[in-house]
Amino acid sequence: GESVGLHLPTLSVQEGDNSIINCAYSNSASDYFIWYKQESGKGPQFIIDIRSNMDKRQGQRVTVLLNKTVKHLSLQIAATQPGDSAVYFCAEKGGAGGTSYGKLTFGQGTILTVHP
Amino acid sequence: KAGVTQTPRYLIKTRGQQVTLSCSPISGHRSVSWYQQTPGQGLQFLFEYFSETQRNKGNFPGRFSGRQFSNSRSEMNVSTLELGDSALYLCASSLIVDADIQYFGAGTRLSVL
Repeated sequence: GESVGLHLPTLSVQEGDNSIINCAYSNSASDYFIWYKQESGKGPQFIIDIRSNMDKRQGQRVTVLLNKTVKHLSLQIAATQPGDSAVYFCAEKGGAGGTSYGKLTFGQGTILTVHP
Repeated sequence: KAGVTQTPRYLIKTRGQQVTLSCSPISGHRSVSWYQQTPGQGLQFLFEYFSETQRNKGNFPGRFSGRQFSNSRSEMNVSTLELGDSALYLCASSLIVDADIQYFGAGTRLSVL
């Protein structure tokens, strides 16, 4: 079939603002979720993760929220800095017993641009 | 500790050729996964190797293959290249198979002309 280019969601914020990046996941059997940051010319870099038995986890300047009822994941970045400008990916991993067990499935990504 | 190393960083090939990409995982990591990243399809899982055995495979044609050596280094091969194979190929390593956190290399940018 014809390939259609992904139109990545974009988020533009001012330096110092808080950023919220959202992700909808598809597999209700997924039991692990992870956020990656990808800067231009680099591979994805681990930011933070969360298991399905939790609904919130905090790291340094970042917080991940998980709402299993609506299959939604969000990444909050506090006091966003220009160095946070990148593409952010959420990824889900299938739980035991499912066809996607052990496989990491990535979302399409969100472009975050931080203006000084 | 050195990160995941992928070579070469850039490659230009023509249709019909074949290509081999290399990945050296983080020292001590025994699992290596490969992903294809394109503007059209995003990040897609190719396969995962652990102890020289393929443990997981994505939905790619048989032209895409890989292997892992006893030192955990991995190679992936694409035969009979097509224009649509142009992509960033990413390698990720983890301590064990099905590990949660995977650490990515910078990727190999393949252009097929």
